[in-house]
Amino acid sequence: KAGVTQTPRYLIKTRGQQVTLSCSPISGHRSVSWYQQTPGQGLQFLFEYFSETQRNKGNFPGRFSGRQFSNSRSEMNVSTLELGDSALYLCASSYSQETQYFGPGTRLLVL
Amino acid sequence: GNSVTQMEGPVTLSEEAFLTINCTYTATGYPSLFWYVQYPGEGLQLLLKATKADDKGSNKGFEATYRKETTSFHLEKGSVQVSDSAVYFCALSGGTSGTYKYIFGTGTRLKVLA
Repeated sequence: KAGVTQTPRYLIKTRGQQVTLSCSPISGHRSVSWYQQTPGQGLQFLFEYFSETQRNKGNFPGRFSGRQFSNSRSEMNVSTLELGDSALYLCASSYSQETQYFGPGTRLLVL
Repeated sequence: GNSVTQMEGPVTLSEEAFLTINCTYTATGYPSLFWYVQYPGEGLQLLLKATKADDKGSNKGFEATYRKETTSFHLEKGSVQVSDSAVYFCALSGGTSGTYKYIFGTGTRLKVLA
């Protein structure tokens, strides 16, 4: 089975722009979660989608949003980018409510 | 709320040394516990897991036992290799809070010297 894929792998944006990241889960997995990883804050949970519905949400501002499509693929969007949004964004998929399998991440640099 | 505490790194060991990375948790009920590993420039890979008290997870020579009485899930390996150099994350999910949201520790960087 193919693993979790994320596109793009690297991205450079400037402050004020917006960005959309994509995640394709493992086939058959219906849950997709997103995380932000930074050296200062570590791994922080953004949100989780299951069957196109947001099921859990972390403590991030409304500039961070996401959605899930009927084929379980998910996108996350960050509007009005700030320098502090520079991070590795990780997507994880799961079949059951236990084990998550992570993608390689998208590294976002905001200039 | 739920939380995970990991030992501070970095941990530097010589090849073939014994490894222990401490992890303790706070949660109500019986969460599932995980160890993930992250190699440079990559995402997280599941290393091992345990879903109930006294379960032992093991993989690639790494082991961890779910200790309910001490709320711990310490990672051990008898003989580390240079290729084990990475960042290790302890995590939990579930418990009586009912949340599926993963809680991660801060990560422990391991460096193994030849």
